[in-house]
Amino acid sequence: DVKVTQSSRYLVKRTGEKVFLECVQDMDHENMFWYRQDPGLGLRLIYFSYDVKMKEKGDIPEGYSVSREKKERFSLILESASTNQTSMYLCASTMGQGHPSYEQYFGPGTRLTVT
Amino acid sequence: AQKITQTQPGMFVQEKEAVTLDCTYDTSDPSYGLFWYKQPSSGEMIFLIYQGSYDQQNATEGRYSLNFQKARKSANLVISASQLGDSAMYFCAMREGPYNAGNNRKLIWGLGTSLAVNP
Repeated sequence: DVKVTQSSRYLVKRTGEKVFLECVQDMDHENMFWYRQDPGLGLRLIYFSYDVKMKEKGDIPEGYSVSREKKERFSLILESASTNQTSMYLCASTMGQGHPSYEQYFGPGTRLTVT
Repeated sequence: AQKITQTQPGMFVQEKEAVTLDCTYDTSDPSYGLFWYKQPSSGEMIFLIYQGSYDQQNATEGRYSLNFQKARKSANLVISASQLGDSAMYFCAMREGPYNAGNNRKLIWGLGTSLAVNP
């Protein structure tokens, strides 16, 4: 079974702190994604990576950065957390090649609260 | 403009009845794929079904089927014989462009439909 794990289910941080959200997948997937999910706004793509050390901005990259030093790990960094970054953060991964129906596999999510 | 539109924020269905969740999409690319995901209250996103733009047949997976009407640009999810465990948020998503582009696996998401199954 494909497994995508995220470092924390719940996280509480203070305004201005540097926050690291870690995501690890065990299926040798090339593509990894970070989303945030807010009520009424659906899933919004923050960043994605299609290879080690490769990254592309999604729809809402401001205030975030990412790191992908190893294929299985994709980190989301909030350089200076703000209250408007309180949200559910979802990590996903998928193959880079192969059948077009191959879906994105999701982690359980991290609910981040910034106070 | 929204590329994926789910017009029903909330739906109710009686247990054992069928329900249709609407999804319309907007793309000028001839090659695309459509996905449906389920998100129960636990939060995990679960893949349900896929339809490719060139697929001749409507996709089916157990109690899930996709009513794909290409000319209308709609990809409605049909759940037959609803169960209490089907209560969840349902998201429609689209991949634009050919799948064999290495960096082209990102999806465009709708806002979701909340389905409640009544006993």
